[in-house]
Amino acid sequence: AQSVSQHNHHVILSEAASLELGCNYSYGGTVNLFWYVQYPGQHLQLLLKYFSGDPLVKGIKGFEAEFIKSKFSFNLRKPSVQWSDTAEYFCAVIPMFSGGYNKLIFGAGTRLAVHP
Amino acid sequence: KAGVTQTPRYLIKTRGQQVTLSCSPISGHRSVSWYQQTPGQGLQFLFEYFSETQRNKGNFPGRFSGRQFSNSRSEMNVSTLELGDSALYLCASSLQGGEETQYFGPGTRLLVL
Repeated sequence: AQSVSQHNHHVILSEAASLELGCNYSYGGTVNLFWYVQYPGQHLQLLLKYFSGDPLVKGIKGFEAEFIKSKFSFNLRKPSVQWSDTAEYFCAVIPMFSGGYNKLIFGAGTRLAVHP
Repeated sequence: KAGVTQTPRYLIKTRGQQVTLSCSPISGHRSVSWYQQTPGQGLQFLFEYFSETQRNKGNFPGRFSGRQFSNSRSEMNVSTLELGDSALYLCASSLQGGEETQYFGPGTRLLVL
């Protein structure tokens, strides 16, 4: 079945550690890719997005993601995490071939806990 | 600009009842999408409206329905509530849909007893 997979459900890091969260999707054709974050008690916010062009995209708060088409991957990275990055992170895809419009397909999410 | 607003924020209903949730998009946004978030199933797409027309629909039973008004505000309705409908219902808006960012509201938390 077509889906979005996030490899880690829970990640625990110390402050200043590097972060990489994996995301793979199984849709062929053109896709729009997103990473959203949900801080405790807050609503979903966009971290970054990829539609076309440079496969390395930079988002807010020092996050970046790399689109590797051959691997159907869109991994999220941050070189040095802070306690305030504690949140749940969602990878999402819009498969454009199906007239996807705003049909975001989400991964299961990764809960990140950063310890001071 | 004010963000996406959803009312009510919390709701408790009993099985068999129906419920209507409301979403006001960001001013100027014409596309409104609805999602259901549960611990077991995660975030799932319900449907999307643009200019009062449903353009896309997820895999939910017919008990879940929605509509959009001429001012782009949207409502979703769930009839004959089941325990499994307990969830956070999120609304998101964007200008036109497609290659645009969706902005999410805070959600309505529905508890079905």
